[in-house]
Amino acid sequence: GENVEQHPSTLSVQEGDSAVIKCTYSDSASNYFPWYKQELGKRPQLIIDIRSNVGEKKDQRIAVTLNKTAKHFSLHITETQPEDSAVYFCAASNSNYQLIWGAGTKLIIKP
Amino acid sequence: ETGVTQTPRHLVMGMTNKKSLKCEQHLGHNAMYWYKQSAKKPLELMFVYNFKEQTENNSVPSRFSPECPNSSHLFLHLHTLQPEDSALYLCASSQQNGLSTEAFFGQGTRLTVV
Repeated sequence: GENVEQHPSTLSVQEGDSAVIKCTYSDSASNYFPWYKQELGKRPQLIIDIRSNVGEKKDQRIAVTLNKTAKHFSLHITETQPEDSAVYFCAASNSNYQLIWGAGTKLIIKP
Repeated sequence: ETGVTQTPRHLVMGMTNKKSLKCEQHLGHNAMYWYKQSAKKPLELMFVYNFKEQTENNSVPSRFSPECPNSSHLFLHLHTLQPEDSALYLCASSQQNGLSTEAFFGQGTRLTVV
């Protein structure tokens, strides 16, 4: 069935360094790929998304890349800051416009 | 405030109790969702309502019963739950118009079944 795999499950980086989280998806019909951030005790919130007609999208320190041939997409955070510490979820749409979610990555920013 | 409100924020219930979770969205969206979030697992989609009609029920046990009286309100009725049902239950809404779009989440109800 449809699934999204997300790696790593935990990522610890030094403040100021870059962080990369990767996801792969199985449904070739997927055309929408959002990334959500969930801080401790809070709701998931969209931070960036990309559609299949684009290979890369950037918003300040956050960027997402998409490789449709390989069916994978990645989140890149540069110049990480303490407030970037959270759990990040990737997702991919299916043919019913529903989102299939990755298991999440806990990002820890070390001071 | 994202416009999706859930009540209660926390709920402790016994296995023989009956309770309901409530979700309300003020965003004018036509689709609403219930998700279950357990530790170290992906978000599990439970139910989808589009224009008040249930469009998906992902093999959820009958002890969970959804209700969508209108496009702004969604309920999840609970009865005879098991301890393994303890989790964060998230409601979300989105505008479905032939394209996948951003889902807006409520703050969730932390449910503990004792």
